[in-house]
Amino acid sequence: SQQGEEDPQALSIQEGENATMNCSYKTSINNLQWYRQNSGRGLVHLILIRSNEREKHSGRLRVTLDTSKKSSSLLITASRAADTASYFCATVRSGNTPLVFGKGTRLSVIA
Amino acid sequence: DGGITQSPKYLFRKEGQNVTLSCEQNLNHDAMYWYRQDPGQGLRLIYYSQIVNDFQKGDIAEGYSVSREKKESFPLTVTSAQKNPTAFYLCASRGGRNIQYFGAGTRLSVL
Repeated sequence: SQQGEEDPQALSIQEGENATMNCSYKTSINNLQWYRQNSGRGLVHLILIRSNEREKHSGRLRVTLDTSKKSSSLLITASRAADTASYFCATVRSGNTPLVFGKGTRLSVIA
Repeated sequence: DGGITQSPKYLFRKEGQNVTLSCEQNLNHDAMYWYRQDPGQGLRLIYYSQIVNDFQKGDIAEGYSVSREKKESFPLTVTSAQKNPTAFYLCASRGGRNIQYFGAGTRLSVL
């Protein structure tokens, strides 16, 4: 069952702008992860945020988590054409239970 | 190179035929996963294996079968019972903190 729902489904921005993607989920979680998928390729892990964390940074990525609202956001600052990809959130309910992926946000960065 | 290797990259299935997708990993991970991805959709879990000689059904296991005889290998068979097999299939293994590492995928089409 797909628990995460990303919003928007698609996003188109100019190079240099910031891109924000949101993820909502339905049940309690142990952690939430964001992955990137280039067209026709496998997914690559970007960042993980634990349920007791509110914000994490990694390079140009900033992730927030609001467990009271069951939502997370991924911010990519100063976007580049190479950031063009689909971005998925995935939730982990507990321990080593399988990840549950959302449907993803397709990001297009126009040079 | 360490990672997940999926083969073939493209596969065609005739009606009534079983086909097997290969997934090999050299990351020494215990757990491995198979996902199906349809256009505009997220990843749906087909089967997963936490350890050699053991596997569990995911959300959409009907029409698929797997085996896990070796730690490094987790092949997926798409049987003739799967009436709509056209999709992109992704294999992954689980590392620390339940982060998943993906192969490049196999695109299956029906002739």
